[in-house]
Amino acid sequence: GAGVSQSPSNKVTEKGKDVELRCDPISGHTALYWYRQSLGQGLEFLIYFQGNSAPDKSGLPSDRFSAERTGGSVSTLTIQRTQQEDSAVYLCASSLRSEFGYEQFFGPGTRLTVL
Amino acid sequence: ELKVEQNPLFLSMQEGKNYTIYCNYSTTSDRLYWYRQDPGKSLESLFVLLSNGAVKQEGRLMASLDTKARLSTLHITAAVHDLSATYFCAVGLQHYGGSQGNLIFGKGTKLSVKP
Repeated sequence: GAGVSQSPSNKVTEKGKDVELRCDPISGHTALYWYRQSLGQGLEFLIYFQGNSAPDKSGLPSDRFSAERTGGSVSTLTIQRTQQEDSAVYLCASSLRSEFGYEQFFGPGTRLTVL
Repeated sequence: ELKVEQNPLFLSMQEGKNYTIYCNYSTTSDRLYWYRQDPGKSLESLFVLLSNGAVKQEGRLMASLDTKARLSTLHITAAVHDLSATYFCAVGLQHYGGSQGNLIFGKGTKLSVKP
């Protein structure tokens, strides 16, 4: 079946602009995660959604970052007033259930470049 | 703060040789994941280790988990060029109510297998 999809695959923006990144999880997966991968910081957790529960936002680096998940499916990560240090690959993952031990399946990522 | 340390971070080996990648983590967890990442690609799930003493094998790769030592290993047998990639271990965090939160990743081991 279809895996996790993300769009756009690449995004180049100017410093100070807002960007929106989209994630379509695997159908039926109840948990959705956002991570980012950069050379300096490795893979970092950003935010996690589980069903209708309030998201775990503990990994968001600043209040410029926000995310929402509509209808328990598609998620959008928004970065306001982008900075050069936001340049990274943003990865979305989903898992079938939230119970401990279910593997997370990753999408292809969105490469964000802030000029 | 949970830390996940992999070593080595870079590994150059010849085809046909054996080697082991180590993953140490700093907190109690019995959920350990191994992922593979090819250049410019996303993360591919390799193994999910769910209990102390768990051992899983797929082709030339074998992963094990010792929760008492907080150590997982990824053993490569008779390496071939196709195994060249970056390998990440990740520890799963258990949230309240038994749900699974985010993964904490090691920095990755970049493996290069030369003929």
